Amino acid sequence: KAGVTQTPRYLIKTRGQQVTLSCSPISGHRSVSWYQQTPGQGLQFLFEYFSETQRNKGNFPGRFSGRQFSNSRSEMNVSTLELGDSALYLCASSLSPGGLGGNTIYFGEGSWLTVV
Amino acid sequence: GESVGLHLPTLSVQEGDNSIINCAYSNSASDYFIWYKQESGKGPQFIIDIRSNMDKRQGQRVTVLLNKTVKHLSLQIAATQPGDSAVYFCAETQGGKLIFGQGTELSVKP
Repeated sequence: KAGVTQTPRYLIKTRGQQVTLSCSPISGHRSVSWYQQTPGQGLQFLFEYFSETQRNKGNFPGRFSGRQFSNSRSEMNVSTLELGDSALYLCASSLSPGGLGGNTIYFGEGSWLTVV
Repeated sequence: GESVGLHLPTLSVQEGDNSIINCAYSNSASDYFIWYKQESGKGPQFIIDIRSNMDKRQGQRVTVLLNKTVKHLSLQIAATQPGDSAVYFCAETQGGKLIFGQGTELSVKP
């Protein structure tokens, strides 16, 4: 059974550009969440989707957005990139939203974004 | 406030010894806790989880202990191996999201 798959794995963007990251959850998982990991802030929650609906959103500016498709695949977009957006962006999937019912939340390997 | 913190940022152990990584959480309403292992350049890897109605759960070479009275979580790794070297995060679920601790870097000396 394939794990959580994220693409691209590495990318470099210029300030002001926008970027779209993709995530394919584990088969059967309908909950997809996104996290940002930086050395200074650690792992921070961005947003979560379940059955194409955003259920939860973290404290990030509106430049960060996401969506989920009917096949549970998800994308996140960051517009008007800033240097501080350089980070590892992690996608996680689970059977239930937010691990409700004790359903394990599994992570992908992440997308490394560097903004120059 | 929302926070899950780790007591020690680094831990160095001898190969074969047991390791104990600690974590404090702040929300007594959290009902699900997870330990993750993250190796350099990789995403967090699930190790073990525990629900709030349990005090202890064992896996292969790992045990998680939950003390709800003092809001403390610990991960015990038996017979630590060089391959266990990584950063370990505890996380709690709050309102449908994971709140992570800062992480503890475990270093295993051969």
